Amino acid sequence: GESVGLHLPTLSVQEGDNSIINCAYSNSASDYFIWYKQESGKGPQFIIDIRSNMDKRQGQRVTVLLNKTVKHLSLQIAATQPGDSAVYFCAENLGTSYGKLTFGQGTILTVHP
Amino acid sequence: DTGVSQDPRHKITKRGQNVTFRCDPISEHNRLYWYRQTLGQGPEFLTYFQNEAQLEKSRLLSDRFSAERPKGSFSTLEIQRTEQGDSAMYLCASSFGQATLNEKLFFGSGTQLSVL
Repeated sequence: GESVGLHLPTLSVQEGDNSIINCAYSNSASDYFIWYKQESGKGPQFIIDIRSNMDKRQGQRVTVLLNKTVKHLSLQIAATQPGDSAVYFCAENLGTSYGKLTFGQGTILTVHP
Repeated sequence: DTGVSQDPRHKITKRGQNVTFRCDPISEHNRLYWYRQTLGQGPEFLTYFQNEAQLEKSRLLSDRFSAERPKGSFSTLEIQRTEQGDSAMYLCASSFGQATLNEKLFFGSGTQLSVL
């Protein structure tokens, strides 16, 4: 079936570097996308979202880019900090039900001091 | 703490036993969701409530699973006759329902179930 997937399962960066986490989705009907951060033993924490009528959205130190042409989503983290180390998930809402998200497998981000 | 609260945090049970988990959503949120997450995977949707009404259930939710939200506030998820394949993290999330499908879900820390 259609699903959200990630190109890289792990990413290691040095503190202060910028990080880019990628996500490919296959369902062109998806109209809402969210990035979540999950630390060990905790539930997913909302980072940033974007609607399908946008191609870029910025938050504090994070930017999400959406390329609907190639069905690609990315999360950019500026000046990555050790506290950013976690698993990052992209999730999509197919537009059929409230809150029914389809999550990708996740990317492990490790930030070295 | 005004976030989503789940209890217990960990549950170990023997195969065949029944277990029940509780979720207290953020107080003003009218929608509540249950997801399941296995190691190395993203969460998978199980079911959701709007107030006390259960509006959708995933195919993942077998007959052994039942969820309730009797007063439109807290919710319980019960698993009867547990199997080893039920071992997972059970996550609860809530949201403030709006007239769009673009809702931000806020997750609790989950209940980690281990079936021996």
